[in-house]
Amino acid sequence: AQSVAQPEDQVNVAEGNPLTVKCTYSVSGNPYLFWYVQYPNRGLQFLLKYITGDNLVKGSYGFEAEFNKSQTSFHLKKPSALVSDSALYFCAVRDEGGYNKLIFGAGTRLAVHP
Amino acid sequence: ETGVTQSPTHLIKTRGQQVTLRCSSQSGHNTVSWYQQALGQGPQFIFQYYREEENGRGNFPPRFSGLQFPNYSSELNVNALELDDSALYLCASSSGAGVEKLFFGSGTQLSVL
Repeated sequence: AQSVAQPEDQVNVAEGNPLTVKCTYSVSGNPYLFWYVQYPNRGLQFLLKYITGDNLVKGSYGFEAEFNKSQTSFHLKKPSALVSDSALYFCAVRDEGGYNKLIFGAGTRLAVHP
Repeated sequence: ETGVTQSPTHLIKTRGQQVTLRCSSQSGHNTVSWYQQALGQGPQFIFQYYREEENGRGNFPPRFSGLQFPNYSSELNVNALELDDSALYLCASSSGAGVEKLFFGSGTQLSVL
């Protein structure tokens, strides 16, 4: 069965420093991977996706993610964190059942301190 | 902000009651998915509707049911509510049933007492 794991419940980073939010996945075929962000009292917002092609995917708000097939990872990164990036981040993999069902990780809370 | 709207935003029910949650999809989107997000967890897929037909279902019992209307809006119905049904219910729309990005509404917070 497909799954994603986000090993960190929370990531703390100082404003201006680079940030990484980790995600590993388990699928039997080629993965379709996503990152979503959730701000308080809001639904999830799409950041980026990896379907195929370049292993470095660029997304919204200056975020990018690196797909690593050998390590089965899809870590979210940003070169310089902003306080406004503080939110809950979810990694997801598309179910291989043939329709647009996403399997989400448990989420990582990112706290960016001034 | 996405164009996906959900109502109501908050709801309190008692165990055994029934509830209907509503979702208006983004203009031009013909696919609606429903997710349940329990406190401290990631969203879990309930089911998906594509052109008014259910075309995928997660590991939820039959008392969770849905509808999609000709204008592609959708309802989620939950019968015989249980305490564990307390969660944030998210609706997401997309322009197809393939690998598309999802546009989420802000959710309905359901509390079952």
